[in-house]
Amino acid sequence: QVQLVESGGGLVKPGGSLTLSCAASGFTFSDYYMSWIRQAPGKGLEWLSYIRGSGGTVYYADSAKGRFTVSRDNAKNSLYLQMNSLRAEDTAVYYCARNRWDSSGYTYFDLWGRGTLVTVSS
Amino acid sequence: QSVLTQPPSVSGAPGQRVTISCTGSSSNIGAGYDVHWYQQLPGTAPKLLIYGNNNRPSGVPDRFSGSKSGTSASLAITGLQAEDEADYYCQSYDSSLSGYVVFGGGTKLAVL
Repeated sequence: QVQLVESGGGLVKPGGSLTLSCAASGFTFSDYYMSWIRQAPGKGLEWLSYIRGSGGTVYYADSAKGRFTVSRDNAKNSLYLQMNSLRAEDTAVYYCARNRWDSSGYTYFDLWGRGTLVTVSS
Repeated sequence: QSVLTQPPSVSGAPGQRVTISCTGSSSNIGAGYDVHWYQQLPGTAPKLLIYGNNNRPSGVPDRFSGSKSGTSASLAITGLQAEDEADYYCQSYDSSLSGYVVFGGGTKLAVL
């Protein structure tokens, strides 16, 4: 069925690195832009980045620029989020989501994974 | 503070109608950008509820509806049910930010 499944979360020390994965199934992955969105414990949603279907262009929120890198492997139907120099404030559930476009050409998200928890703590 | 402002909580009794507001500014909702809504049931991932201000994805009951006027948008839920208890988020685009996506802070709906 159509789904997204994240993996790779866990406990990491401040300053450490982690790479998250998102496996897509049930749709033509390469046809869609894909995003990473996070949610700190008890907090709201924060968009981090999205990447074109071809993988050629990536857009980042200011909070993700410089430390986070998004990539994809369309042959493996997979999306990745590499996170470096992690801080306590990066502790969150990280979701991957499929982008859709409204009538004006701006994005929203019609399919979400269940998320993977990243905890940054010593 | 979120660019889009939502009330932290709303409540209603079963069968009642509730509305959740999402207030923006001239650089987002007021500029004409569409508003989208998500429902997040306890312990689960967000789910698209309304897109393009007032469109429901397949499978979303018609008890849920969206509207937009000026610099604000609203989500209305009629015939409130216990399973509607969840967090609700609005989302749009803001032309003044380098980010491409903005979310509201979320509203917790309690069904009394």
